[in-house]
Amino acid sequence: IAGITQAPTSQILAAGRRMTLRCTQDMRHNAMYWYRQDLGLGLRLIHYSNTAGTTGKGEVPDGYSVSRANTDDFPLTLASAVPSQTSVYFCASSDWKRDMNEQFFGPGTRLTVL
Amino acid sequence: GQNIDQPTEMTATEGAIVQINCTYQTSGFNGLFWYQQHAGEAPTFLSYNVLDGLEEKGRFSSFLSRSKGYSYLLLKELQMKDSASYLCAAMDSNYQLIWGAGTKLIIKP
Repeated sequence: IAGITQAPTSQILAAGRRMTLRCTQDMRHNAMYWYRQDLGLGLRLIHYSNTAGTTGKGEVPDGYSVSRANTDDFPLTLASAVPSQTSVYFCASSDWKRDMNEQFFGPGTRLTVL
Repeated sequence: GQNIDQPTEMTATEGAIVQINCTYQTSGFNGLFWYQQHAGEAPTFLSYNVLDGLEEKGRFSSFLSRSKGYSYLLLKELQMKDSASYLCAAMDSNYQLIWGAGTKLIIKP
């Protein structure tokens, strides 16, 4: 693995189903993020984690949950998917030791909720 | 509230120069980022400014004026591969990035 991986690449999901998007990084970054990207709205932060064992809510957290059991993994769960959660989801990570805090992005998951 | 404004779309000619502007309002400020995003791909880092002035990196330069809440990305000697969306993001007092909606740059031969 080099960088950040996300799975699945794309998914079509029936409304009401539970879904977990996976994210794994091998850069030993302490901070990780989940964004959704919708046309015309730019990236919006869903949840973040500054270090393993801690999580925080972003701009649009409702309907989503996360966990950070270790440094490398940061799964995002939709407990009961709704059509408004149709979007492209990006996971990102950064190294808080650096002042710049540049974020590195995974390839994204395209989710369609019907 | 926090807000980032940038043009929705711009068109330029191959070989020319284009400037993409960004204005921001955030709670605190810890730097301004520019990312490039090709269609269907993830954003990739281009530049970071935290002090006023111009940062040059090859064909790309980025400028920041903190007092005006203003930044621009300057792309020189445009190539067809520069066709992409350019995302402006400001880091707030909590070190979270506030993102603009992106500027789609179309390069014509």
